[in-house]
Amino acid sequence: RKEVEQDPGPFNVPEGATVAFNCTYSNSASQSFFWYRQDCRKEPKLLMSVYSSGNEDGRFTAQLNRASQYISLLIRDSKLSDSATYLCVVKDRGSTLGRLYFGRGTQLTVWP
Amino acid sequence: SQTIHQWPATLVQPVGSPLSLECTVEGTSNPNLYWYRQAAGRGLQLLFYSVGIGQISSEVPQNLSASRPQDRQFILSSKKLLLSDSGFYLCAWTPGGGYYGYTFGSGTRLTVV
Repeated sequence: RKEVEQDPGPFNVPEGATVAFNCTYSNSASQSFFWYRQDCRKEPKLLMSVYSSGNEDGRFTAQLNRASQYISLLIRDSKLSDSATYLCVVKDRGSTLGRLYFGRGTQLTVWP
Repeated sequence: SQTIHQWPATLVQPVGSPLSLECTVEGTSNPNLYWYRQAAGRGLQLLFYSVGIGQISSEVPQNLSASRPQDRQFILSSKKLLLSDSGFYLCAWTPGGGYYGYTFGSGTRLTVV
């Protein structure tokens, strides 16, 4: 069973659309949660952390449901520049190593 | 501020040749360091991690090895490359033991021919 599972997509949406990605994680003791963005042939970059109360950064909103063990990312008013692969990431509780587990990513294409 | 450097950016190597990829972190001390590989169309695979000088843990047995000769230097090596070693190699760091995400280097795209 994979630690982190995501719908690989692809999601193809027009500019201005709202799109949501979900991911589930298997370890109920997971401690920290993140969304990363990876552009084609580039390294992943941290998009935002995900907090228990939910958090927003401009057009991006992240939610965490610990009871159901899922994380979501909502993108409003999609831009062409949002086209990328979005990686869901979790960190286990108590791991001094700080090891993260990555989902395989959800591909988003925003078209004009 | 902290920065991570990884080189080379692109590498084409024949089967059976050696490999050495280097990663350095600036602006911090005692970071946790990681090597990941991403094969074409695949997810990130953790290869090695290190919590200190000379401390290397391997996640996947294969013909690769890693070393950490200095606090902020992490090296990925192979004595003889295989075709299956082709991929996008990423070095990453994080402050030790924290709640933080990783910061990745810009990666090395390795093609074994």
